[in-house]
Amino acid sequence: DQQVKQNSPSLSVQEGRISILNCDYTNSMFDYFLWYKKYPAEGPTFLISISSIKDKNEDGRFTVFLNKSAKHLSLHIVPSQPGDSAVYFCAASARGGSEKLVFGKGMKLTVNP
Amino acid sequence: DTAVSQTPKYLVTQMGNDKSIKCEQNLGHDTMYWYKQDSKKFLKIMFSYNNKELIINETVPNRFSPKSPDKAHLNLHINSLELGDSAVYFCASSQGRGTVWDFGPGTRLLVL
Repeated sequence: DQQVKQNSPSLSVQEGRISILNCDYTNSMFDYFLWYKKYPAEGPTFLISISSIKDKNEDGRFTVFLNKSAKHLSLHIVPSQPGDSAVYFCAASARGGSEKLVFGKGMKLTVNP
Repeated sequence: DTAVSQTPKYLVTQMGNDKSIKCEQNLGHDTMYWYKQDSKKFLKIMFSYNNKELIINETVPNRFSPKSPDKAHLNLHINSLELGDSAVYFCASSQGRGTVWDFGPGTRLLVL
């Protein structure tokens, strides 16, 4: 029972262009969302987060958008750089529940020079 | 100056053996976790401890036993290792909901 879904396994973009990574969730109790980036043989590293009281959060080249009615969030990277090539995980936590992050399956982003 | 560290990074062992993985965090966080990333690449929570107290146990076989000697350490002991235990195990810590979870570099376990 996947509560957090990243339906596209991979994305390839050209350097300088926009990368859009999508994430859908099914649990309406989720109210805090995070994106993590993971390089091979390393642990996930935090990228950006958003609370359900907002619909947008921006940090430099990274922007996360949240559409609560559609239970959908997206991560925009502009401009994309080769160093952004990694696996990106969407994660969520639920209010009123135990303190845990539920992760999507991840999406591999490749930024070509 | 690693925030969340794990040892060992790689572990190759035979079926039936018992092994331990250690985790330490120097962030002052109250909560620590063990996650498992299986061959399908899903990251799934196994256990969570808050200030040395077990708060999450996600239907993990009782061959897996976490131990938290203090709030900066969370170790994972695995008895009678099976082939299906082969995975990457990540330790993480946080200060609770609404904050960032910090992850360790992972321990790659291969059971032969």
